[in-house]
Amino acid sequence: GESVGLHLPTLSVQEGDNSIINCAYSNSASDYFIWYKQESGKGPQFIIDIRSNMDKRQGQRVTVLLNKTVKHLSLQIAATQPGDSAVYFCAENALSGGYNKLIFGAGTRLAVHP
Amino acid sequence: DVKVTQSSRYLVKRTGEKVFLECVQDMDHENMFWYRQDPGLGLRLIYFSYDVKMKEKGDIPEGYSVSREKKERFSLILESASTNQTSMYLCASSLWSGEGNEQFFGPGTRLTVL
Repeated sequence: GESVGLHLPTLSVQEGDNSIINCAYSNSASDYFIWYKQESGKGPQFIIDIRSNMDKRQGQRVTVLLNKTVKHLSLQIAATQPGDSAVYFCAENALSGGYNKLIFGAGTRLAVHP
Repeated sequence: DVKVTQSSRYLVKRTGEKVFLECVQDMDHENMFWYRQDPGLGLRLIYFSYDVKMKEKGDIPEGYSVSREKKERFSLILESASTNQTSMYLCASSLWSGEGNEQFFGPGTRLTVL
Protein backbone atom coordinates (compact mmCIF):
# COMPACT_ATOMS: atom_id res chain seq x y z
CA GLY A 1 0.00 0.00 0.00
CA GLU A 2 2.61 2.56 0.96
CA SER A 3 5.39 1.26 -1.23
CA VAL A 4 6.68 4.06 -3.37
CA GLY A 5 9.23 3.67 -6.12
CA LEU A 6 10.43 5.31 -9.27
CA HIS A 7 9.93 2.22 -11.41
CA LEU A 8 6.57 0.56 -11.88
CA PRO A 9 6.79 -3.22 -11.48
CA THR A 10 5.60 -5.07 -14.59
CA LEU A 11 4.01 -8.48 -14.84
CA SER A 12 4.11 -10.04 -18.31
CA VAL A 13 1.77 -12.95 -19.04
CA GLN A 14 0.59 -14.92 -22.02
CA GLU A 15 -3.00 -14.60 -23.11
CA GLY A 16 -5.05 -17.31 -21.45
CA ASP A 17 -2.75 -17.71 -18.44
CA ASN A 18 -3.74 -16.75 -14.93
CA SER A 19 -2.24 -13.56 -13.47
CA ILE A 20 -1.45 -12.82 -9.85
CA ILE A 21 -0.73 -9.25 -8.78
CA ASN A 22 0.52 -8.70 -5.26
CA CYS A 23 0.32 -5.80 -2.86
CA ALA A 24 1.73 -5.19 0.61
CA TYR A 25 -0.21 -2.76 2.76
CA SER A 26 1.06 -0.81 5.70
CA ASN A 27 -1.65 -0.33 8.31
CA SER A 28 -2.80 -3.30 10.35
CA ALA A 29 -5.93 -1.31 11.31
CA SER A 30 -7.07 -0.94 7.68
CA ASP A 31 -10.59 -2.34 7.40
CA TYR A 32 -11.33 -2.28 3.70
CA PHE A 33 -9.35 -2.85 0.53
CA ILE A 34 -9.99 -2.14 -3.13
CA TRP A 35 -8.36 -3.09 -6.40
CA TYR A 36 -8.50 -0.56 -9.23
CA LYS A 37 -7.61 -0.95 -12.90
CA GLN A 38 -6.28 1.99 -14.88
CA GLU A 39 -6.06 1.82 -18.64
CA SER A 40 -3.91 4.22 -20.57
CA GLY A 41 -5.45 7.71 -20.69
CA LYS A 42 -8.27 6.88 -18.28
CA GLY A 43 -9.01 7.25 -14.60
CA PRO A 44 -8.86 4.23 -12.27
CA GLN A 45 -11.86 1.90 -12.38
CA PHE A 46 -13.11 -0.24 -9.51
CA ILE A 47 -12.54 -3.99 -9.95
CA ILE A 48 -13.27 -5.66 -6.64
CA ASP A 49 -13.18 -4.95 -2.93
CA ILE A 50 -12.86 -6.93 0.28
CA ARG A 51 -13.56 -6.18 3.91
CA SER A 52 -11.09 -7.06 6.63
CA ASN A 53 -13.38 -9.73 8.11
CA MET A 54 -12.98 -11.78 4.92
CA ASP A 55 -9.97 -13.54 3.44
CA LYS A 56 -11.28 -14.20 -0.05
CA ARG A 57 -13.78 -12.68 -2.44
CA GLN A 58 -14.57 -13.67 -5.99
CA GLY A 59 -15.89 -11.71 -8.89
CA GLN A 60 -16.15 -12.40 -12.57
CA ARG A 61 -12.73 -13.82 -13.53
CA VAL A 62 -11.13 -12.04 -10.57
CA THR A 63 -10.41 -13.14 -7.02
CA VAL A 64 -8.97 -11.06 -4.20
CA LEU A 65 -7.14 -12.73 -1.32
CA LEU A 66 -6.39 -10.99 1.95
CA ASN A 67 -3.80 -12.19 4.43
CA LYS A 68 -3.98 -9.93 7.45
CA THR A 69 -1.21 -11.78 9.28
CA VAL A 70 1.39 -10.59 6.81
CA LYS A 71 -0.55 -7.55 5.54
CA HIS A 72 -0.72 -8.86 2.01
CA LEU A 73 -3.34 -8.52 -0.69
CA SER A 74 -3.43 -10.23 -4.05
CA LEU A 75 -5.53 -10.00 -7.18
CA GLN A 76 -5.90 -13.09 -9.31
CA ILE A 77 -7.17 -12.79 -12.87
CA ALA A 78 -8.24 -15.99 -14.57
CA ALA A 79 -7.71 -16.58 -18.28
CA THR A 80 -6.02 -13.23 -18.81
CA GLN A 81 -7.08 -11.38 -21.95
CA PRO A 82 -5.43 -8.55 -23.93
CA GLY A 83 -8.08 -6.19 -22.55
CA ASP A 84 -6.71 -6.83 -19.07
CA SER A 85 -3.51 -4.96 -19.96
CA ALA A 86 -3.44 -1.97 -17.61
CA VAL A 87 -1.92 -0.68 -14.39
CA TYR A 88 -3.48 -2.21 -11.28
CA PHE A 89 -3.57 -0.40 -7.94
CA CYS A 90 -4.43 -1.71 -4.52
CA ALA A 91 -5.86 0.71 -1.97
CA GLU A 92 -6.38 0.36 1.78
CA ASN A 93 -8.94 2.31 3.78
CA ALA A 94 -7.37 3.63 6.96
CA LEU A 95 -8.12 6.24 9.56
CA SER A 96 -5.70 9.12 9.17
CA GLY A 97 -5.95 12.53 10.79
CA GLY A 98 -9.44 11.73 12.05
CA TYR A 99 -10.78 10.82 8.61
CA ASN A 100 -11.10 7.63 6.61
CA LYS A 101 -8.88 7.81 3.55
CA LEU A 102 -7.84 5.48 0.78
CA ILE A 103 -4.08 4.97 0.59
CA PHE A 104 -2.93 3.75 -2.81
CA GLY A 105 -0.01 1.58 -3.76
CA ALA A 106 2.35 2.56 -6.55
CA GLY A 107 0.74 0.14 -8.97
CA THR A 108 1.73 -2.86 -11.08
CA ARG A 109 1.63 -2.85 -14.86
CA LEU A 110 0.11 -5.98 -16.40
CA ALA A 111 1.20 -6.70 -19.97
CA VAL A 112 -0.68 -9.46 -21.78
CA HIS A 113 1.01 -11.00 -24.80
CA PRO A 114 -0.83 -12.96 -27.52
CA ASP B 1 -23.68 4.66 -13.36
CA VAL B 2 -21.77 7.26 -11.40
CA LYS B 3 -20.25 9.85 -13.61
CA VAL B 4 -17.37 12.04 -12.58
CA THR B 5 -16.37 14.61 -15.15
CA GLN B 6 -13.36 16.89 -15.28
CA SER B 7 -13.42 20.12 -17.23
CA SER B 8 -10.31 19.49 -19.32
CA ARG B 9 -8.40 16.41 -20.45
CA TYR B 10 -5.26 18.41 -21.28
CA LEU B 11 -4.06 21.82 -20.11
CA VAL B 12 -0.88 23.77 -20.80
CA LYS B 13 -0.14 26.72 -18.55
CA ARG B 14 2.78 29.01 -17.88
CA THR B 15 4.69 29.35 -14.61
CA GLY B 16 2.95 31.81 -12.30
CA GLU B 17 -0.50 31.46 -13.86
CA LYS B 18 -3.52 30.74 -11.70
CA VAL B 19 -5.06 27.44 -12.75
CA PHE B 20 -8.54 26.10 -12.06
CA LEU B 21 -9.38 22.41 -12.42
CA GLU B 22 -13.07 21.65 -12.19
CA CYS B 23 -14.75 18.39 -11.21
CA VAL B 24 -18.44 17.53 -11.22
CA GLN B 25 -20.17 14.36 -10.03
CA ASP B 26 -23.78 13.49 -10.74
CA MET B 27 -24.61 10.95 -8.01
CA ASP B 28 -25.17 13.19 -5.01
CA HIS B 29 -22.01 11.90 -3.33
CA GLU B 30 -20.99 13.48 -0.05
CA ASN B 31 -17.25 13.06 -0.48
CA MET B 32 -14.96 14.43 -3.16
CA PHE B 33 -11.20 14.13 -3.57
CA TRP B 34 -8.35 15.54 -5.61
CA TYR B 35 -5.26 13.42 -6.30
CA ARG B 36 -2.19 13.86 -8.41
CA GLN B 37 -0.60 10.91 -10.14
CA ASP B 38 3.06 10.76 -11.07
CA PRO B 39 4.97 7.84 -12.62
CA GLY B 40 5.93 5.26 -10.02
CA LEU B 41 4.38 7.22 -7.14
CA GLY B 42 0.77 6.07 -7.33
CA LEU B 43 -2.01 8.45 -6.35
CA ARG B 44 -1.30 11.09 -3.74
CA LEU B 45 -4.12 12.91 -2.00
CA ILE B 46 -4.03 16.70 -2.30
CA TYR B 47 -7.31 17.79 -0.70
CA PHE B 48 -10.66 16.27 0.09
CA SER B 49 -14.10 17.41 1.13
CA TYR B 50 -16.76 15.57 3.12
CA ASP B 51 -19.42 18.24 2.79
CA VAL B 52 -20.26 21.48 1.05
CA LYS B 53 -17.92 24.30 2.08
CA MET B 54 -15.83 21.81 4.01
CA LYS B 55 -12.24 20.99 3.03
CA GLU B 56 -9.40 19.07 4.56
CA LYS B 57 -5.74 18.88 3.58
CA GLY B 58 -4.50 15.63 2.21
CA ASP B 59 -0.89 14.48 2.09
CA ILE B 60 0.48 17.06 -0.36
CA PRO B 61 -1.60 20.27 -0.11
CA GLU B 62 1.25 22.76 -0.56
CA GLY B 63 0.73 25.01 -3.57
CA TYR B 64 -2.94 24.06 -3.93
CA SER B 65 -6.30 25.20 -2.62
CA VAL B 66 -9.84 23.93 -3.19
CA SER B 67 -13.40 25.17 -3.29
CA ARG B 68 -16.66 23.32 -2.74
CA GLU B 69 -19.54 25.75 -3.00
CA LYS B 70 -22.01 23.13 -4.27
CA LYS B 71 -22.28 19.46 -3.42
CA GLU B 72 -21.67 18.27 -6.96
CA ARG B 73 -18.66 20.45 -7.74
CA PHE B 74 -15.14 20.39 -6.32
CA SER B 75 -12.51 22.73 -7.75
CA LEU B 76 -8.74 22.50 -7.43
CA ILE B 77 -6.83 25.77 -7.64
CA LEU B 78 -3.16 26.26 -8.32
CA GLU B 79 -2.58 29.80 -7.08
CA SER B 80 0.70 30.25 -8.95
CA ALA B 81 1.54 27.28 -11.13
CA SER B 82 5.07 25.91 -11.03
CA THR B 83 6.82 23.36 -13.23
CA ASN B 84 6.83 20.77 -10.43
CA GLN B 85 3.04 20.79 -10.59
CA THR B 86 3.13 19.22 -14.05
CA SER B 87 1.19 16.03 -13.45
CA MET B 88 -1.99 14.04 -14.02
CA TYR B 89 -4.76 15.29 -11.74
CA LEU B 90 -7.58 12.92 -10.81
CA CYS B 91 -10.85 13.81 -9.14
CA ALA B 92 -12.91 11.21 -7.31
CA SER B 93 -16.14 11.01 -5.35
CA SER B 94 -17.68 8.52 -2.91
CA LEU B 95 -21.01 8.17 -1.21
CA TRP B 96 -19.61 7.97 2.32
CA SER B 97 -16.33 7.52 4.14
CA GLY B 98 -15.09 4.43 5.85
CA GLU B 99 -15.57 0.78 5.06
CA GLY B 100 -17.19 0.39 1.70
CA ASN B 101 -16.23 3.85 0.49
CA GLU B 102 -15.46 2.93 -3.07
CA GLN B 103 -14.22 6.01 -4.88
CA PHE B 104 -15.29 6.72 -8.45
CA PHE B 105 -12.75 8.53 -10.58
CA GLY B 106 -12.94 11.01 -13.41
CA PRO B 107 -10.85 10.61 -16.57
CA GLY B 108 -8.08 12.90 -15.33
CA THR B 109 -6.58 16.20 -16.44
CA ARG B 110 -3.02 16.16 -17.68
CA LEU B 111 -1.52 19.51 -16.74
CA THR B 112 1.75 20.76 -18.19
CA VAL B 113 3.32 23.87 -16.66
CA LEU B 114 5.96 25.49 -18.86
